Amino acid sequence: DAGVIQSPRHEVTEMGQEVTLRCKPISGHNSLFWYRQTMMRGLELLIYFNNNVPIDDSGMPEDRFSAKMPNASFSTLKIQPSEPRDSAVYFCASSNLIQVDVEKLFFGSGTQLSVL
Amino acid sequence: TQLLEQSPQFLSIQEGENLTVYCNSSSVFSSLQWYRQEPGEGPVLLVTVVTGGEVKKLKRLTFQFGDARKDSSLHITAAQPGETGLYLCAGEITDSWGKLQFGAGTQVVVTP
Repeated sequence: DAGVIQSPRHEVTEMGQEVTLRCKPISGHNSLFWYRQTMMRGLELLIYFNNNVPIDDSGMPEDRFSAKMPNASFSTLKIQPSEPRDSAVYFCASSNLIQVDVEKLFFGSGTQLSVL
Repeated sequence: TQLLEQSPQFLSIQEGENLTVYCNSSSVFSSLQWYRQEPGEGPVLLVTVVTGGEVKKLKRLTFQFGDARKDSSLHITAAQPGETGLYLCAGEITDSWGKLQFGAGTQVVVTP
């Protein structure tokens, strides 16, 4: 199994530019999560999907952030326009959540985003 | 707001020494998980504890869930350099349908 695949691994952009992060979850998993990790705030849940439907986006910082999951094998997180405070490592994780089961997350290697 | 407080924030020990990392909260969790994250990688799940008072062992790692399901500890016996990493606890929020709250983590460095 290839695991959760994220691209790009590193992204450097200028303030105001659009940034798109990509994620391919583990095949067969029905839930997908986007997290952001910073030294100050640790790992924060931004949004999660179940069966391609957004369930909880309360962690999305503001309207500049949007996420889509057009099918079971692909998701994007878009920031437009980007700002320096968006600099962080963005992780995608997937799981095979079965009701009343305990969530077991499998994380990708992350995208290191630097907004100058 | 961090629901889960981890301590200490940083721990540096010599190979062969023991260490304990703590994860505390005022909230009750349905379950609690421990992850280890190495530089440049995502967190990797080590264990899940579900029942209050539960103790799980994974080689030289011992995980304990508090009786009230509000706190947990991770103890490593005779730590090895390969166990260097950021240790994260994550609590499953009751009735949140799988949503996890992560602590800030404890950075553990084991030197040869």
